[in-house]
Amino acid sequence: AQKITQTQPGMFVQEKEAVTLDCTYDTSDPSYGLFWYKQPSSGEMIFLIYQGSYDQQNATEGRYSLNFQKARKSANLVISASQLGDSAMYFCAMREGDRDDKIIFGKGTRLHILP
Amino acid sequence: DAMVIQNPRYQVTQFGKPVTLSCSQTLNHNVMYWYQQKSSQAPKLLFHYYDKDFNNEADTPDNFQSRRPNTSFCFLDIRSPGLGDAAMYLCATSRAGLSYEQYFGPGTRLTVT
Repeated sequence: AQKITQTQPGMFVQEKEAVTLDCTYDTSDPSYGLFWYKQPSSGEMIFLIYQGSYDQQNATEGRYSLNFQKARKSANLVISASQLGDSAMYFCAMREGDRDDKIIFGKGTRLHILP
Repeated sequence: DAMVIQNPRYQVTQFGKPVTLSCSQTLNHNVMYWYQQKSSQAPKLLFHYYDKDFNNEADTPDNFQSRRPNTSFCFLDIRSPGLGDAAMYLCATSRAGLSYEQYFGPGTRLTVT
């Protein structure tokens, strides 16, 4: 079974609109960490945001926020006021407490921002 | 700046000819990872080192080997590259721990002719 599921292979969004990228995860470990990475066409993987399983508040980093719904095992990335430079692949990833040296990636969502 | 460096950025090798990709880091992170990424796919973890401990993924072909002679350097050896091994190879580092993100190198794009 997949541990990280990203159900949107691709999305098209108008510039300046907000966009939500979906991510659900599966773990029985009470301790885990969730990450989002951005990969532009140039290929480099860029860390965006982190959410810990015990964090009480949703993580935010500038225009990025993570909508963490623990009971639903959901960790959606919200990008506010999208920009053309946000066009990229976005990957959701997870570390689990029993193997915190290993990160599992989802299959990714390709986001296209339209002018 | 502290960073993860991969050399070369582009590598062309012939079918069956061994090739070595290198990764170095100045972050002093104890974990180093090698991923294979094919077009429009997620990075696939091949193996990782937690300090000197080598962790191989179950589905990583025997054709892929790795060495970590010290904290700073890690090598990926492909003993007999096939056409299916053409991909981007990403090196990443991190501290072990739930909250630590990975730092990625720019990748090496491998072409097999």
